[in-house]
Amino acid sequence: EVQLVESGGGLVQPGGSLRLSCAASGFTFSSYWMHWVRQTPGKGLVWVSRINSDGSTSNYADSVKGRFTISRDNAKNMVYVQMNSLRAEDMAVYYCVRGAVDYWGQGTLVTVSS
Amino acid sequence: AIQMTQSPSSLSASVGDRVTITCRASQGIRNDLGWYQQRPGEAPKLLIYAASSLRSGVPSRFSGSGSGTDFTLTISSLQPEDFATYYCLQDYNYPPTFGQGTKVEIK
Repeated sequence: EVQLVESGGGLVQPGGSLRLSCAASGFTFSSYWMHWVRQTPGKGLVWVSRINSDGSTSNYADSVKGRFTISRDNAKNMVYVQMNSLRAEDMAVYYCVRGAVDYWGQGTLVTVSS
Repeated sequence: AIQMTQSPSSLSASVGDRVTITCRASQGIRNDLGWYQQRPGEAPKLLIYAASSLRSGVPSRFSGSGSGTDFTLTISSLQPEDFATYYCLQDYNYPPTFGQGTKVEIK
């Protein structure tokens, strides 16, 4: 059974940093692109970033480019997103999603507030 | 980025009703479209991929159609567990983009 379990969300002040993690199981992790997608009540679902199967290529939404960094560890079946210079508009539930956008984790909430 | 426009944004329906949700792309996306269901407090779940292919395990009352710019999700006979929000997603072009969602509520 495919499972994606996010962790690392929480409360952070504007300008702060947070690293989200996603533990994958139930499939050959090293064969799949992975994504992060976020959801807010106001803006719905928004794609944030993706990384290819071996970690050599990554892409970002314009809204997070230069502030977020996606990475992965295929030996540990983990994908990460390092989020720096966080803003109020980054507040959302962040989902880890498998490459074909077919399986989603349960999400982790990031709150940006002073 | 390709814009995906869903309609309606919400609808009220009764158990047993036939429900249709549409999604329009701002440019042609072939059939690179998926439909997702999200119940409150849960993550989205893939229902339909490649515009019309039913994901394994999804009830056959769900169907998708369309290609190019206009797409439709149909629920042939609404069940109590189908009251949720539905989203479309295009992955034809980077970045992938979602529709704004259609909330299906109980009449």
